Amino acid sequence: AQTVTQSQPEMSVQEAETVTLSCTYDTSESDYYLFWYKQPPSRQMILVIRQEAYKQQNATENRFSVNFQKAAKSFSLKISDSQLGDAAMYFCAYRSGWETDKLIFGTGTRLQVFP
Amino acid sequence: DTAVSQTPKYLVTQMGNDKSIKCEQNLGHDTMYWYKQDSKKFLKIMFSYNNKELIINETVPNRFSPKSPDKAHLNLHINSLELGDSAVYFCASSLQGNYGYTFGSGTRLTVV
Repeated sequence: AQTVTQSQPEMSVQEAETVTLSCTYDTSESDYYLFWYKQPPSRQMILVIRQEAYKQQNATENRFSVNFQKAAKSFSLKISDSQLGDAAMYFCAYRSGWETDKLIFGTGTRLQVFP
Repeated sequence: DTAVSQTPKYLVTQMGNDKSIKCEQNLGHDTMYWYKQDSKKFLKIMFSYNNKELIINETVPNRFSPKSPDKAHLNLHINSLELGDSAVYFCASSLQGNYGYTFGSGTRLTVV
């Protein structure tokens, strides 16, 4: 069974600085998708960025980018120029490319942003 | 227009009661899900429906029964509520493939 591990329960960053959130996963599949979701205090789950495993190029979305290391099964999220509004829980998630479409989530990292 | 809407947003009820949570999506997605987020914020899938057909049923007590009258709706009925059922329940939808989910805003269920 696939698993997703986020080893940092909490992280903090100062406004305008850069922070990296870690995520590792375990799978025997070659075709899959990875996601980062943000959950602010409003509890809405917001898709931040996604990566297809077959793509070598790292995904980027404005200030958010990933470092996808397929061999190491690592999928970290980098937030550049951090803003107060980035404060939230961040969840890494895995979705199989073959089996049923369930998203498997990590335990989350709470990000605090200090002015 | 809200893409995935859940009602109610908050639900406080007594142990032993039966309650339902409704979910509707207007995105034309073919798959809908129920997830449970516990007090430690861990998210775990409960059920998944594809075009009204149940395709995922994780180890959930049979007091929980999903119903999908059509592919735009997925409701969750819970019988004989217990204290341990207190959690946030999220509905979500997606297209099959490499797309992420679109989540509803969640229903915070508190059983007293």
